[in-house]
Amino acid sequence: GDSVTQKEGLVTLTEGLPVMLNCTYQTIYSNAFLFWYVHYLNESPRLLLKSSTDNKRTEHQGFHATLHKSSSSFHLQKSSAQLSDSALYYCALNTGANTGKLTFGHGTILRVHP
Amino acid sequence: EAAVTQSPRNKVTVTGGNVTLSCRQTNSHNYMYWYRQDTGHGLRLIHYSYGAGNLQIGDVPDGYKATRTTQEDFFLLLELASPSQTSLYFCASSAGYNQAPLFGEGTRLSVL
Repeated sequence: GDSVTQKEGLVTLTEGLPVMLNCTYQTIYSNAFLFWYVHYLNESPRLLLKSSTDNKRTEHQGFHATLHKSSSSFHLQKSSAQLSDSALYYCALNTGANTGKLTFGHGTILRVHP
Repeated sequence: EAAVTQSPRNKVTVTGGNVTLSCRQTNSHNYMYWYRQDTGHGLRLIHYSYGAGNLQIGDVPDGYKATRTTQEDFFLLLELASPSQTSLYFCASSAGYNQAPLFGEGTRLSVL
């Protein structure tokens, strides 16, 4: 079945260093939509990035990601981590098969310290 | 402004109890979802719906029923609550099958 893998459960960084959170996915459908959500404590998860276009970089709020269908990856990156980036990040997959079903990874906690 | 409202925000019940979690969206969205969030498991889909009267089974449906009474309202029912259902529950809605869902603020459920 469809699945999303976020291999890091916890990433700890010093402020100012680059961020990279890994996301890979599995699906038999070729028209997949990938999303990154950010979840701050005591708030709702909210959309950070989305893409369905192969090899096109998408950016928002200093974060960027490129969907690579050849490697089934959609890694989240940022050039310089900020303390306020500390949160739980989810990668999610919609297969594009007209089911509406959205499958999330287990999430990666990002902790940025001074 | 787009909104997904969940109630109650917190609920405590006992094993075997009957619980209903409510979700209302005022976004005219077709799709609505119920997820549970647990440490180490992330967000897992319980049930979802693409319109009033429609129900689709998610990935972890056991022990849960759901009903979509109107386009706006989606309910999650736990008829015989168990401690394993202690979790943070999120409702979400989206305009289309490939659109990013908008999440509510969550309902924290404790089953003692």
